[in-house]
Amino acid sequence: NAGVMQNPRHLVRRRGQEARLRCSPVKGHSHVYWYRQLPEEGLKFMVYLQKENIIDESGMPKERFSAEFPKEGPSILRIQQVVRGDSAAYFCASSPTADGELFFGEGSRLTVL
Amino acid sequence: GIQVEQSPPDLILQEGANSTLRCNFSDSVNNLQWFHQNPWGQLINLFYIPSGTKQNGRLSATTVATERYSLLYISSSQTTDSGVYFCAVPRMDSSYKLIFGSGTRLLVRP
Repeated sequence: NAGVMQNPRHLVRRRGQEARLRCSPVKGHSHVYWYRQLPEEGLKFMVYLQKENIIDESGMPKERFSAEFPKEGPSILRIQQVVRGDSAAYFCASSPTADGELFFGEGSRLTVL
Repeated sequence: GIQVEQSPPDLILQEGANSTLRCNFSDSVNNLQWFHQNPWGQLINLFYIPSGTKQNGRLSATTVATERYSLLYISSSQTTDSGVYFCAVPRMDSSYKLIFGSGTRLLVRP
């Protein structure tokens, strides 16, 4: 069984560009989460989604960041007009239930020049 | 909110040595996860352990929920064990929000 798949693994953007990160959860998992890891820190919660619904986006910056999990296809984390402070590793996780074990993908590393 | 503290922050071992990593948390939790982040940045699930003891090969973990700590044991360490070990616990009001400790950075020398 495939685990959580994220792409791209590495992404380089210039300030002001857009970044799109994709996540396909473990097959059968309907709960998807995005976490961000700044250098030398632990992961921090950003957003929790189920199919076509944002359940909790309290950890996501109000501006420039958005997330979706459409009925078909992967979950997308979108960062508009990136700034240097957005440089981080973005991890996606999925779980079979809302309070179950979280399984993380390999992360997408965004570098903003 | 809940605080998660890990110790030691850094650890250097000679290949073959054993080690114990500790995770303390400040409030009651429903579960706890241990992760290994390898030098390439990949985050690997090690244990999902609300209480008791689990073993997987050379690794084992024990959580004593009533005393608010968990231990990760690494026996006969190998160079591939190098990386950062994180423990994480969920918030009581929203169990999908894992609170991560700051990690233990392990280097195993050949």
